[in-house]
Amino acid sequence: NAGVTQTPKFRILKIGQSMTLQCAQDMNHNYMYWYRQDPGMGLKLIYYSVGAGITDKGEVPNGYNVSRSTTEDFPLRLELAAPSQTSVYFCASSYEHSNQPQHFGDGTRLSIL
Amino acid sequence: RKEVEQDPGPFNVPEGATVAFNCTYSNSASQSFFWYRQDCRKEPKLLMSVYSSGNEDGRFTAQLNRASQYISLLIRDSKLSDSATYLCAVSPNNAGNMLTFGGGTRLMVKP
Repeated sequence: NAGVTQTPKFRILKIGQSMTLQCAQDMNHNYMYWYRQDPGMGLKLIYYSVGAGITDKGEVPNGYNVSRSTTEDFPLRLELAAPSQTSVYFCASSYEHSNQPQHFGDGTRLSIL
Repeated sequence: RKEVEQDPGPFNVPEGATVAFNCTYSNSASQSFFWYRQDCRKEPKLLMSVYSSGNEDGRFTAQLNRASQYISLLIRDSKLSDSATYLCAVSPNNAGNMLTFGGGTRLMVKP
């Protein structure tokens, strides 16, 4: 039962570097999401996707990009890392109906120095 | 006003106590409601969905008050292992599955 798998679990980047956070799910969920969670705060939606080839902005999309070429994968890209992007990033997936809960990966802890 | 608000706590309670948290939401058209549990430095995990008529799962009871626009979580007979942050999540409409999360309420159960 893999569920939602995120890689890497930890990463330290220098300002201006780029990287891709990987997310894969094996539950055949149409919907996938990327959140960030700053210390002591709630989850903020960065981007989401309702199916392969379809993505849309969430609450805090600036500085990030996503793609959804397959149902299973939903990578999140940081092009020019900034200290403000230091956070814990969670990927989640769900079925499309609003009464279905979201299932989360175990997160990527990212520090930008 | 935030879309979904929770008292951040912490709620410090002794083992065996009953504790309740509320979560208020601003969008009266909200359709689906959930409680998640998040342990320190871990991912949120679904605790329970909240149904209109209220629902119970063991020591946990969730209720919805649409008139006053809040949901609640009651934990009876608190255990040390209940110590965590409890996040409420609200789906603003039934066209899809977007969730807005509250900031979480921290619970600490003491021996």
